[in-house]
Parts: sequence; structure tokens; C-alpha cells
Amino acid sequence: AQTVTQSQPEMSVQEAETVTLSCTYDTSESDYYLFWYKQPPSRQMILVIRQEAYKQQNATENRFSVNFQKAAKSFSLKISDSQLGDAAMYFCAYRRIQGAQKLVFGQGTRLTINP
Amino acid sequence: ETGVTQSPTHLIKTRGQQVTLRCSSQSGHNTVSWYQQALGQGPQFIFQYYREEENGRGNFPPRFSGLQFPNYSSELNVNALELDDSALYLCASSLTTGGTNEKLFFGSGTQLSVL
Repeated sequence: AQTVTQSQPEMSVQEAETVTLSCTYDTSESDYYLFWYKQPPSRQMILVIRQEAYKQQNATENRFSVNFQKAAKSFSLKISDSQLGDAAMYFCAYRRIQGAQKLVFGQGTRLTINP
Repeated sequence: ETGVTQSPTHLIKTRGQQVTLRCSSQSGHNTVSWYQQALGQGPQFIFQYYREEENGRGNFPPRFSGLQFPNYSSELNVNALELDDSALYLCASSLTTGGTNEKLFFGSGTQLSVL
């Protein structure tokens, strides 16, 4: 079974600074998707960024980028120029390519932005 | 903000009772999945429905059941409630067209408390 581990329960960063959230996963599949989701106090899961495992190039979305290390099964999220609105729970998630759209989530990292 | 709506937003039940949670998918979406998020944890996949048929299930007992209606709205039913069923229940919808690149849209969840 696939597992996702986030080893940082909490992180904090100064506004405008850069922060990196860590995620490792375990799978025997060769093709899969990896995601970072943001969950603000509204509780709605919001997709931040997605990475296809067959793509060597790291995904980027504006201030958000990932460092995908397939051999190490590591998938970290870098947030540049942190903003107060980035404060939230962040979840790393895995999904197989085929079959049901079952996301396997990590335990989450609570990110605090200090003004 | 997505078009996925869930009702009710909060619910309090007593152990042993039954509960029905509802989800209205985003317009045009034909797939819905349900997740359970216990306090301080990442969401866990319960099951998925595609065109009114269950096509994927997580590690949840049979007292967790669901329905998807012709208009693609959905219900999650839980019988014989237990204290550990207290959690946030998230619904996510997507459009499945045979490809594997569907994006999930989450609702804001129903917070269930079992006393």
C-alpha cells in the first residue's frame, strides 16, 4: 500500500521569505501523480500544484514550486515570497495513474506566516 | 471557490444513530468521492462513485455506504455511529472522460460530532 509522510507538523516563516515543506512517499508504482493541497480555515481543499511522476521537470505555479526526487521518493514544496494568505494546513498527496481517483494524504503541515 | 456544496455544515449525533450527508457536485461532473478527515489528520478515502456505481472503496466497514443520483449529486450514509466516526467529511467531484488527468474539486465539508 502507498503511504505519504510529512515529518514537519508545524512550520513558520516571515512574510516575504521562502519556506520549504517536506514530503516523502512509498510506492511500488512507476507512474503516479503527486500533489500539494492547501486547507485554509474554510476547510476546503485547494490544489496548489501537481507533478506527474514521468515528468523529470519540476512543476511550478507562480510562487509555488516543487523539488521532485523520484529515486529518493521525495516531493518538497517551496513557497517563495510568502504572503499572509499562504497560512494554512498543507497536505502532500499521492494518486495512482489508473483506477479510482483515490488520493493518499500525508498528515499535514501547519504553516504560519509571521508579519 | 468551487461549485461543490455539502450539507449540513455541522451535525451532532448520538452513538448508534444513523446519519446522511449530502453533496452537490460541480456542474457537469460525473464522479464523486468521499473522504473522512479526523482531527489533526489528513483525509482518508472512503469510496468513489462514477455514473451511479461505486468503483473504488477504501478501508471502511460496510456501515459506510453511498449513493450517486442521476443528477450526480451524492449521499454518504453511516449506520450505527461510533465515537470514532467524529470527523470532517469531505466530498470531491470531477469529470471523468476516460483519461487520467481529472482535477478534483472539494467542498467545504460536513463536521460530524458523535456523542
